[in-house]
Amino acid sequence: EAQVTQNPRYLITVTGKKLTVTCSQNMNHEYMSWYRQDPGLGLRQIYYSMNVEVTDKGDVPEGYKVSRKEKRNFPLILESPSPNQTSLYFCASTPAGRLLLEDFGPGTRLTVL
Amino acid sequence: GIQVEQSPPDLILQEGANSTLRCNFSDSVNNLQWFHQNPWGQLINLFYIPSGTKQNGRLSATTVATERYSLLYISSSQTTDSGVYFCAVEGGADSWGKLQFGAGTQVVVTP
Repeated sequence: EAQVTQNPRYLITVTGKKLTVTCSQNMNHEYMSWYRQDPGLGLRQIYYSMNVEVTDKGDVPEGYKVSRKEKRNFPLILESPSPNQTSLYFCASTPAGRLLLEDFGPGTRLTVL
Repeated sequence: GIQVEQSPPDLILQEGANSTLRCNFSDSVNNLQWFHQNPWGQLINLFYIPSGTKQNGRLSATTVATERYSLLYISSSQTTDSGVYFCAVEGGADSWGKLQFGAGTQVVVTP
């Protein structure tokens, strides 16, 4: 089944404890991106990647890191999480040449205490 | 970056009613998309519509790029149409890959 998977789906952690949210797609898509969703603000892009080893900042990259070592995976890393990073996170992917976000992951709800 | 404004912020409809959601954007765009987030949080792509008109069942969308707005029409609404509708745009050449979302329109369809 073609899909984007995220893990974990739910996470409660404490300030300063490094964490990684994984994102994986099995559709051979070139473009992947991360978003956070907060009430009243819609979705805001954190980072995106046009292809392997190519990543760029979105609107709210502070406090986050990403890597794209292989096409299928695009992990989101929070080196030192803070309470203002409590949010709902989505990963998405699409084929190259079509900026059409065809596939979203199911979301990861993160709470930082 | 480009500013994206959606209206209305909230909409309550009775089943069977029609409605129009609006998305205004502050600059020329390469791409524009409409998404639906269902009550369980799942995001579904509805339309890729940087210009022109498209229809998909009871939903249709029109983008007038020269006037910087897009409209999403819901006809004969059903309870399954409930959720949040977002538009997202990608700006000029220096914004390739960067998407800006509006704050969304929360739609509730009552039986």
